[in-house]
Amino acid sequence: DTGVSQNPRHKITKRGQNVTFRCDPISEHNRLYWYRQTLGQGPEFLTYFQNEAQLEKSRLLSDRFSAERPKGSFSTLEIQRTEQGDSAMYLCASSPFRRSNTEAFFGQGTRLTVV
Amino acid sequence: TQLLEQSPQFLSIQEGENLTVYCNSSSVFSSLQWYRQEPGEGPVLLVTVVTGGEVKKLKRLTFQFGDARKDSSLHITAAQPGDTGLYLCAGSWGLTTDSWGKLQFGAGTQVVVTP
Repeated sequence: DTGVSQNPRHKITKRGQNVTFRCDPISEHNRLYWYRQTLGQGPEFLTYFQNEAQLEKSRLLSDRFSAERPKGSFSTLEIQRTEQGDSAMYLCASSPFRRSNTEAFFGQGTRLTVV
Repeated sequence: TQLLEQSPQFLSIQEGENLTVYCNSSSVFSSLQWYRQEPGEGPVLLVTVVTGGEVKKLKRLTFQFGDARKDSSLHITAAQPGDTGLYLCAGSWGLTTDSWGKLQFGAGTQVVVTP
């Protein structure tokens, strides 16, 4: 399978705990994006990387959130001191960086439930 | 912040009927994508439109991009139960290379096709 891979698929955690999600993009794609989706809404942009550089972070990304892409390949998204409002589907997407190409290919997502 | 509106929010039809969903913005898109998402899964890319007035067909699905590149529609002919899903439009307004690929999504149209 050469698509975007996300792990774990589901995560249940207690409020206050830290969680980390992993995303493996399509191998030749140098752009990687994180989105968050809550019930009844479309995905909301969180942050994105070009290779290992984090180029933009949304205002949605509070100080408790951190994302890395250390070698320009896989990425991790960590949430510290989780809150119930963090419960959502976290989606990763990747795209090749070509002029005027804005297509993004999504993984299956990680469903986070904070209890 | 560019707003992207989808209508209707929900559509329930019988197998064999036709349907159209709409996506509108107050700003000119540089490109627009349509995705379909099933419960618990990530969005799957259906099509990308870039040129004003563009029409693309994918089997029974027809996508139109408005002449002014501010609106788009998705028309499904002779809908089947397998067309059931959340249809999302996503726009890019990027004018710089840093913006390409960053997408803003609508809230989606939930389509249910009953046998």
